[in-house]
Amino acid sequence: DADVTQTPRNRITKTGKRIMLECSQTKGHDRMYWYRQDPGLGLRLIYYSFDVKDINKGEISDGYSVSRQAQAKFSLSLESAIPNQTALYFCATEAGDWNNEQFFGPGTRLTVL
Amino acid sequence: DAKTTQPTSMDCAEGRAANLPCNHSTISGNEYVYWYRQIHSQGPQYIIHGLKNNETNEMASLIITEDRKSSTLILPHATLRDTAVYYCIVRPQGGSEKLVFGKGMKLTVNP
Repeated sequence: DADVTQTPRNRITKTGKRIMLECSQTKGHDRMYWYRQDPGLGLRLIYYSFDVKDINKGEISDGYSVSRQAQAKFSLSLESAIPNQTALYFCATEAGDWNNEQFFGPGTRLTVL
Repeated sequence: DAKTTQPTSMDCAEGRAANLPCNHSTISGNEYVYWYRQIHSQGPQYIIHGLKNNETNEMASLIITEDRKSSTLILPHATLRDTAVYYCIVRPQGGSEKLVFGKGMKLTVNP
């Protein structure tokens, strides 16, 4: 089984709808991240969490919110989806020790019509 | 903004070594150089990282210049499956700051 899973893998929704993307990990990592990727661009950080009680905004947090329900779960919500939030969304985890690698999920492709 | 600059793209013949350059002229003494790659639209994959010494693992080698202002990722025997976007990233020691991805470099391995 994959260490970092994301659900759903694909989602098409309409403008104004509330959407939740979920991320689960079995690696036992404290740190979790949500990134967004637009076509032809690198990944941009939306939110990150260094432990269950810690939530931090990334560079493009407007229009998004997150919830760290447990060490293993980190959800990303779009309260009122808009078309320019159409993108590929990745969740990642990291151990939090010195200079550890990040492990990425398979991504969620979100389309907002 | 990303602290690294990479060529937009590069081609390599299958079976040959692929040498991927990265410039990080403003790197600080406590910053590590990380390399990730993204194959098609999959989640990025960690490759290697280093501070100042050359590093090697089962995937690649990382050569960092003595002044640490640039580095080269070497894939010793490139295969078609190495076709991907490669990201060079610098990050402070301790990992207290998030990864900042630039646009990366597209490596195409040709048969």
